[in-house]
Amino acid sequence: GAVVSQHPSWVICKSGTSVKIECRSLDFQATTMFWYRQFPKQSLMLMATSNEGSKATYEQGVEKDKFLINHASLTLSTLTVTSAHPEDSSFYICSARGLAVSSTDTQYFGPGTRLTVL
Amino acid sequence: SQQGEEDPQALSIQEGENATMNCSYKTSINNLQWYRQNSGRGLVHLILIRSNEREKHSGRLRVTLDTSKKSSSLLITASRAADTASYFCGGVNQGGKLIFGQGTELSVKP
Repeated sequence: GAVVSQHPSWVICKSGTSVKIECRSLDFQATTMFWYRQFPKQSLMLMATSNEGSKATYEQGVEKDKFLINHASLTLSTLTVTSAHPEDSSFYICSARGLAVSSTDTQYFGPGTRLTVL
Repeated sequence: SQQGEEDPQALSIQEGENATMNCSYKTSINNLQWYRQNSGRGLVHLILIRSNEREKHSGRLRVTLDTSKKSSSLLITASRAADTASYFCGGVNQGGKLIFGQGTELSVKP
């Protein structure tokens, strides 16, 4: 139980295009989802927190107009990287915390999405 | 911002030996969680220890928490080559956010 999926697992796009990444909780309802980014050999940096049905809250230094987050249902959150540039190339990982899992404190992570912007 | 530091940043041991990783954090936490990440993959939850707990065990894992020193340790006993991965600790703060430390890269040689 407590499985989180992400789609796509990797994406290559041209500079200036927008990319949407989906995060789904497969067997539980996620009241809260989190988006992280990770550069090679580094730790995960929290980008934003999204709660179902409300606006996401962004960490300091994260541009909300660049990284659009939508949490339209209890099982789906999306991150859209708008007008992507090479410096946005990174590993994006979502996590979900929610109801009816062994611990409401535990976050369950998706497998990540590798974004490469040419 | 990062929650804290992990020590060591890289650890190389032989199969069968124990591996100890330490983590320090900066702010008050509700609980602390340890995760493992294989190269290029997502994170796998290993163990959660609450702020009112001092020690917790799960299989070959032993986690300690010292809130007075704002530190935690993860011990993996009788390590296996399959334990090779990066290990991260993350503290959940009062706002419910999980903030990670730098991580330890563990290499277990067969």
